[in-house]
Amino acid sequence: SYVLSQPPSLSVAPGQTARITCGADNIENKRVHWYQQKPGQAPVLVVHEDSDRPSGIPERFSGSNVGNTATLTISGVEAGDEADYFCQLWASNTDRVVFGGGTKLTVL
Amino acid sequence: EVQLVESGGGPVQPGGSLRLSCAASGFTFSTYWMHWVRQAPGKGPEWVSLIDSDGSKTDYADSVKGRFTISRDNAKNTLYLQLNSLRLEDTAMYHCVRDSRSSWYYFDFWGQGTLVTVSS
Repeated sequence: SYVLSQPPSLSVAPGQTARITCGADNIENKRVHWYQQKPGQAPVLVVHEDSDRPSGIPERFSGSNVGNTATLTISGVEAGDEADYFCQLWASNTDRVVFGGGTKLTVL
Repeated sequence: EVQLVESGGGPVQPGGSLRLSCAASGFTFSTYWMHWVRQAPGKGPEWVSLIDSDGSKTDYADSVKGRFTISRDNAKNTLYLQLNSLRLEDTAMYHCVRDSRSSWYYFDFWGQGTLVTVSS
């Protein structure tokens, strides 16, 4: 089965750039989606299909997907960005949706 | 505004059953595929099941196949998940989610979830 690897945690100072990674073999051949989940809240889609932002999501959130790593980049990190972030894709070979284990972003 | 409100969770013993419901509003429910996604405490999400817009196609994760049944009532704008033969490892928050209609399968709206706790 397809496994997506995310670092469990990442700490960034306010105003700096956070780069959250999601790794898998040849992940660049898939389309990766990212969700933000704050404590006690439902996940919110922040990036879909590698780099597209839904309406209402700030331009500070961007995505890329190259080689074996997809990356969610948050520029000018704010205290309100503190949350868990999950990557997700559809594995066509198994016809299954797969999620990463999540990265907890802490804003120092 | 899209709203998905789950209910029906609670404590249950191993081997027991529960029926989860999800009331949808703010969009034309009958035209969207819907899914259930669960999240065990401290873990990443796990896709559980999907149903197409008219209920004719369903699919399940291997971990729940044969025990869970997804259904919908488009007249009532409600999605259901029947959970039978529950196991300890089914303990999780169960989210009702809307399919984005993309060929790349992602979810554009999530409900807050309803908590299922399987314990003896």
